[in-house]
Amino acid sequence: SQKIEQNSEALNIQEGKTATLTCNYTNYSPAYLQWYRQDPGRGPVFLLLIRENEKEKRKERLKVTFDTTLKQSLFHITASQPADSATYLCALDHDYKLSFGAGTTVTVRA
Amino acid sequence: GAGVSQSPRYKVAKRGQDVALRCDPISGHVSLFWYQQALGQGPEFLTYFQNEAQLDKSGLPSDRFFAERPEGSVSTLKIQRTQQEDSAVYLCASSPVGAGVRDTQYFGPGTRLTVL
Repeated sequence: SQKIEQNSEALNIQEGKTATLTCNYTNYSPAYLQWYRQDPGRGPVFLLLIRENEKEKRKERLKVTFDTTLKQSLFHITASQPADSATYLCALDHDYKLSFGAGTTVTVRA
Repeated sequence: GAGVSQSPRYKVAKRGQDVALRCDPISGHVSLFWYQQALGQGPEFLTYFQNEAQLDKSGLPSDRFFAERPEGSVSTLKIQRTQQEDSAVYLCASSPVGAGVRDTQYFGPGTRLTVL
């Protein structure tokens, strides 16, 4: 069965620095990969979608890369702010279903 | 416009009780998904509806779990004879398109179910 692994530990960074999150997967070749943000007590909120033929995607201070050879996606938050503190989930898209990783919790210190 | 809403937000049930969780998707959304999220884990797929048709129920953990969407809008997830391992957050998501067309999913706030 497919396996999705995200940074196993929480990430604590200083405001203004770049946070880099990793999503590795096995036993599957998704056509799409999505990143979501989840705050405590809330449902996930969509951030970015990247296709298998795209190497990189940007949205404001967010950047996602997708390496189908390494079976890895990297998610970057540049110029981080305390408001970026949340859990970030990567999700593999197969047909209509999403398979999520466990998430990485990011805390940005002021 | 209104997002996906779920009710109740919190539910405490005694082991063996039946529960019903409601999802109101975004108006006009074709696809509706249910996910189960255990503490510290990502959401896990339970079932998928395209309009009123349940196209995939492969993620339902047992025959105690049942979902319906009779008129293609509101959906209900029912759990019969609840067990402690059913304790989790149940998330509903909707999408404006049907299966085979990629789009984002819009999630509700979830219902936190605690089985004592």
